[in-house]
Amino acid sequence: DGGITQSPKYLFRKEGQNVTLSCEQNLNHDAMYWYRQDPGQGLRLIYYSQIVNDFQKGDIAEGYSVSREKKESFPLTVTSAQKNPTAFYLCASSNPGIGYGNQPQHFGDGTRLSIL
Amino acid sequence: QQQVKQSPQSLIVQKGGISIINCAYENTAFDYFPWYQQFPGKGPALLIAIRPDVSEKKEGRFTISFNKSAKQFSLHIMDSQPGDSATYFCAASFQGAQKLVFGQGTRLTINP
Repeated sequence: DGGITQSPKYLFRKEGQNVTLSCEQNLNHDAMYWYRQDPGQGLRLIYYSQIVNDFQKGDIAEGYSVSREKKESFPLTVTSAQKNPTAFYLCASSNPGIGYGNQPQHFGDGTRLSIL
Repeated sequence: QQQVKQSPQSLIVQKGGISIINCAYENTAFDYFPWYQQFPGKGPALLIAIRPDVSEKKEGRFTISFNKSAKQFSLHIMDSQPGDSATYFCAASFQGAQKLVFGQGTRLTINP
């Protein structure tokens, strides 16, 4: 059954701590994305990657870092520099096409991050 | 120019009624307009999408209406059911773009 798996479902961060959110997909998609969702707000793009070993900053990249060493994996690290990390984090992927933004994105079920 | 404005923020409809959510955009290069449905604690799921060569697309009880001259598009949910209660997001993109631009979301509640 193809899909996107995000883990953990819930995560707590202490002050000054870096935490890493996992995202794995078995859809054989080239492009992967990380979004942040705050209550009552839309999805804001943190980082995206079109291909292995390449990624670009989205609209709110400060305080976050990513890596893309494998096609199926796109982990997100929330660093201590991100002062307001409490949010719902969503990972997505899409097929290659004429412009990755022009293709449907498939989402995981998210990780809810809170501060202890 | 990259924004997509969605309204209303929240909507309450009686069971069996029609739910209507509207979106407006500025960038005339946009040529792909998907709608996503999100249930609490879950990721958004693609509901229906339209490209501007048609003015309407229907899938079951869900219809997208597209007005290119007004730069607006809307989602209509006919015979709304309590199971349709969710948050709905519109989005837009264009060929060559690397990302979707999302609206702010509409929280829809269908009263039984």
